Amino acid sequence: EVQLVQSGAEVKKPGESLKISCKGSGYSFTSYWIGWVRQMPGKGLEWMGIVYPGDSDTRYSPSFQGQVTISADKSISTAYLQWTSLTASDTAIYHCVRLEGGDIAMAGQGWFDPWGQGTLVTVSS
Amino acid sequence: DIALTQSPGTLSLSPGERATLSCRASQSLNSSYLAWYQQKPGQAPRLLIYDASSRATGIPDRFSGSGSGTDFTLTISRLEPEDFAVYYCQQYGSSPLTFGGGTKVEIK
Repeated sequence: EVQLVQSGAEVKKPGESLKISCKGSGYSFTSYWIGWVRQMPGKGLEWMGIVYPGDSDTRYSPSFQGQVTISADKSISTAYLQWTSLTASDTAIYHCVRLEGGDIAMAGQGWFDPWGQGTLVTVSS
Repeated sequence: DIALTQSPGTLSLSPGERATLSCRASQSLNSSYLAWYQQKPGQAPRLLIYDASSRATGIPDRFSGSGSGTDFTLTISRLEPEDFAVYYCQQYGSSPLTFGGGTKVEIK
């Protein structure tokens, strides 16, 4: 079974750094883009970016470029999302997703399946 | 960026009724590159439909997708109690990948 298991909920103060993780299993981790989707409280879904664990190529949504860093460690089948200085507006659930789509997925485009269980990040003073 | 507009914002229906959800793109999508997801409270979204009309593995056949170009539709033929949720469309015809704002299907 293909699974993405995310790290647990975090409570942080503004200005702190954070790195959350997503471990893939049940498939060849280096052969699929893996990415992150933000969901602010009571709001919709926003695509943040993706990483290809095979060669660490990354793509970012312009809305998130420079705000976060997406990376992957293929030796432990784990992807990461990190912030250097959190603000209250980073409070959200962050979903880890695998990019599917055959040929177009190789170009970094496609649909998301499966989804991780989500990681709630709360930033509050 | 391709913007996706979903309508209506909320759909109030009874179990057994038919639900028709709309997703309109600001530009024509390449090769009907559109997906639909279902999200229930406290859960992660689940893929329902990809390539506008292909059902994902394990998705009941009461869910169907149609459309091309800029206009797409998700139809639930007969609502079951477990279908009351929020539904999102997502385009992958061009980067950045974008989602619609969602349609909530609630019990009338």
